Amino acid sequence: AQSVAQPEDQVNVAEGNPLTVKCTYSVSGNPYLFWYVQYPNRGLQFLLKYITGDNLVKGSYGFEAEFNKSQTSFHLKKPSALVSDSALYFCAVRDETNFGNEKLTFGTGTRLTIIP
Amino acid sequence: DAMVIQNPRYQVTQFGKPVTLSCSQTLNHNVMYWYQQKSSQAPKLLFHYYDKDFNNEADTPDNFQSRRPNTSFCFLDIRSPGLGDAAMYLCATSRVRGNQPQHFGDGTRLSIL
Repeated sequence: AQSVAQPEDQVNVAEGNPLTVKCTYSVSGNPYLFWYVQYPNRGLQFLLKYITGDNLVKGSYGFEAEFNKSQTSFHLKKPSALVSDSALYFCAVRDETNFGNEKLTFGTGTRLTIIP
Repeated sequence: DAMVIQNPRYQVTQFGKPVTLSCSQTLNHNVMYWYQQKSSQAPKLLFHYYDKDFNNEADTPDNFQSRRPNTSFCFLDIRSPGLGDAAMYLCATSRVRGNQPQHFGDGTRLSIL
């Protein structure tokens, strides 16, 4: 079975400060991990993914995420938050051994608000 | 630009009146997905097509059907919408299943009167 948790429903950060949105996962094999962002009345936009290789992954709009196997985490980070980063963020996971049903499991989402 | 397009963006239907939502893609991806999303919750996968191979989720109600007449188009049919079916419906595509990101359309917001 595969699962993902986003422990914070809401994160507030002052503009210009670093931000972190947390994600932990559970899989039987190796994980494929994704971050998506959703703006109001829009679909989900892909930000970045971890499949294999370097634990620090860089993505769109200055975001990055660090894969930590021992802590089963994949936290999303940005060094300096912008007001335009305010949105709903989803972490998603797929177990590489889950053949025949390669669907993503999404977290419950974290609403990020950047305060001017 | 290549993209995933959903029509209409907003759909209002009456309780019990069949409704069809459409999705088209110019990415030439093999896989097309339909998700239901309520009130900023996590998207819930209803079903997906891998080429012409239809894959239904075990907990998707029989009220929901899908058609994929060709690579570019996929339809979601709700045979008898109930009030609980009011939601945002998202279509997504990916080149293959598994380690490729999914590309989402902007969704159709369905309201039931």
